[in-house]
Amino acid sequence: QKEVEQDPGPLSVPEGAIVSLNCTYSNSAFQYFMWYRQYSRKGPELLMYTYSSGNKEDGRFTAQVDKSSKYISLFIRDSQPSDSATYLCAPSRGTDKLIFGTGTRLQVFP
Amino acid sequence: NAGVTQTPKFQVLKTGQSMTLQCAQDMNHNSMYWYRQDPGMGLRLIYYSASEGTTDKGEVPNGYNVSRLNKREFSLRLESAAPSQTSVYFCASSELGNVPGELFFGEGSRLTVL
Repeated sequence: QKEVEQDPGPLSVPEGAIVSLNCTYSNSAFQYFMWYRQYSRKGPELLMYTYSSGNKEDGRFTAQVDKSSKYISLFIRDSQPSDSATYLCAPSRGTDKLIFGTGTRLQVFP
Repeated sequence: NAGVTQTPKFQVLKTGQSMTLQCAQDMNHNSMYWYRQDPGMGLRLIYYSASEGTTDKGEVPNGYNVSRLNKREFSLRLESAAPSQTSVYFCASSELGNVPGELFFGEGSRLTVL
């Protein structure tokens, strides 16, 4: 079993839709849960992260972790064409050695 | 602000040729990494360096060597390239003690091995 599983998509939604991106993980030692965004032909960049369980909101983005089910989610409200990118989840034990999911490619069309 | 700079951006090699990918960061970070990204496989760690003078293997180190030349620079060498090494390579840096797990990536080096 992979340590991190992520649906690769692609996910295609109309502008204004609510998007849900998800990952599952197997190692209960993970404490930090990162979401990276990667635009086409660019390097990934950190979008947001949460520590332990619970929600964290940043503008139109909400990250959610359920440690009991080992499930990580990223919600995007009022999605925009500029949100079109690949989103990678990356849990961590608090070090900088991350395990990346395969990434979900999102396309938001006008 | 340059951040993490990788060279070259594109390279085509023949099987058996060697080459070195260069990476430099200007953020005074201690840790540096080399990842490869393949369709359906995500980002996989090849080697990392927690500080100047130290290097450690990651998930997929076979066929690669690295050198941490100084605090700024971390190079990745392919001694005898194979078609399986066709990939996009990313260098990254971080500083433990800042946001845990915040890596700063370069724009990637696209390598094709024929």
